[in-house]
Amino acid sequence: GQQLNQSPQSMFIQEGEDVSMNCTSSSIFNTWLWYKQEPGEGPVLLIALYKAGELTSNGRLTAQFGITRKDSFLNISASIPSDVGIYFCAGRNAGNMLTFGGGTRLMVKP
Amino acid sequence: DTGVSQDPRHKITKRGQNVTFRCDPISEHNRLYWYRQTLGQGPEFLTYFQNEAQLEKSRLLSDRFSAERPKGSFSTLEIQRTEQGDSAMYLCASSWGLASDTQYFGPGTRLTVL
Repeated sequence: GQQLNQSPQSMFIQEGEDVSMNCTSSSIFNTWLWYKQEPGEGPVLLIALYKAGELTSNGRLTAQFGITRKDSFLNISASIPSDVGIYFCAGRNAGNMLTFGGGTRLMVKP
Repeated sequence: DTGVSQDPRHKITKRGQNVTFRCDPISEHNRLYWYRQTLGQGPEFLTYFQNEAQLEKSRLLSDRFSAERPKGSFSTLEIQRTEQGDSAMYLCASSWGLASDTQYFGPGTRLTVL
């Protein structure tokens, strides 16, 4: 099925470093969402973006809804070991289903 | 805990058997969604309900799959005559159904078909 292009696929960083990941699509979305998933669990919502150009923060996380409505990025500042997990972007258009990216696996070295 | 709950968390079955999963959404959420996630991939949409009405179904949902939400609260997803390719994590999500429609996910049911 259709998926968003999410990059990078994986990142192995040192604790304290900043992280950036992004998501692109050939289609326009009205809403962009970022989720984090840990092994054996469901995705947990981190940030929701509802308007093109919107920049939203949640603690050390910042995400932006691209002006073209076809992309979004997520930044994590000063990473800590508990940031480890898989981060997914998801887009929603006029329909109600979410279309997900393939995920970015983040590993943090203490 | 008032989040989305799913039961069972794990299910191992033999090929050809029928299985049923249950999802209890966040109280008062009127939309309920089912997604399937295979290893190393993002979740893929299967179907969704607005109250008790099933409004959209993905082409991924073959005839062996059926979902119900009889009273507009909990939902069940049944897979008949399971195949090894059905092995996946089945995720349920719910939302208020507002314009923003932010979806909150449950912990999932991991199905293994032997």
